Amino acid sequence: LAKTTQPISMDSYEGQEVNITCSHNNIATNDYITWYQQFPSQGPRFIIQGYKTKVTNEVASLFIPADRKSSTLSLPRVSLSDTAVYYCLVVQYSGAGSYQLTFGKGTKLSVIP
Amino acid sequence: NAGVTQTPKFRVLKTGQSMTLLCAQDMNHEYMYWYRQDPGMGLRLIHYSVGEGTTAKGEVPDGYNVSRLKKQNFLLGLESAAPSQTSVYFCASSRVTNRGWENEQFFGPGTRLTVL
Repeated sequence: LAKTTQPISMDSYEGQEVNITCSHNNIATNDYITWYQQFPSQGPRFIIQGYKTKVTNEVASLFIPADRKSSTLSLPRVSLSDTAVYYCLVVQYSGAGSYQLTFGKGTKLSVIP
Repeated sequence: NAGVTQTPKFRVLKTGQSMTLLCAQDMNHEYMYWYRQDPGMGLRLIHYSVGEGTTAKGEVPDGYNVSRLKKQNFLLGLESAAPSQTSVYFCASSRVTNRGWENEQFFGPGTRLTVL
């Protein structure tokens, strides 16, 4: 299983850009990276997913360097409502519906007014 | 659409008792998953299913059994509950795409289980 490492917590002021990095040193060729957001007493919610280089959607960007041993979730201009736990997930798809899914332990982001 | 629902929301068991957690999804998703979440541990995959009638083991399957008799339902069973199974349990589902690695999962609200 690919192991992932994330910072336990981060603080940011409202309006700033926040970058959360996940380390996945033993990522395999067929693995890809996904990020989820979780609020207290709720299930996680999908944010973004990628394999290499950069992916952007309406809420975040995901940067993956060429060696793919890490990935960075970028949240532009955070607000108080972005206070949550963010999880990095490495998905290993082996074909024929065979998956290995390894969540990181999560980064608790606190946005300060 | 209700999305992914889980029953019950809370449960307290005594050691050795059995119970079944029910997960239902109305999005016609092929894939379904059961996770457990413990403080400081993130989410760990227990079992998953890639279609009706199929199941597969995840990272922490011991002490749990699952069944996927209907496409929309995924059941998680504890035959003999232990205090170590005290946790929050999440169910999720995802669709099949042409690129098998695409795996946006939709999660339910969770079941908080305490085993005394």
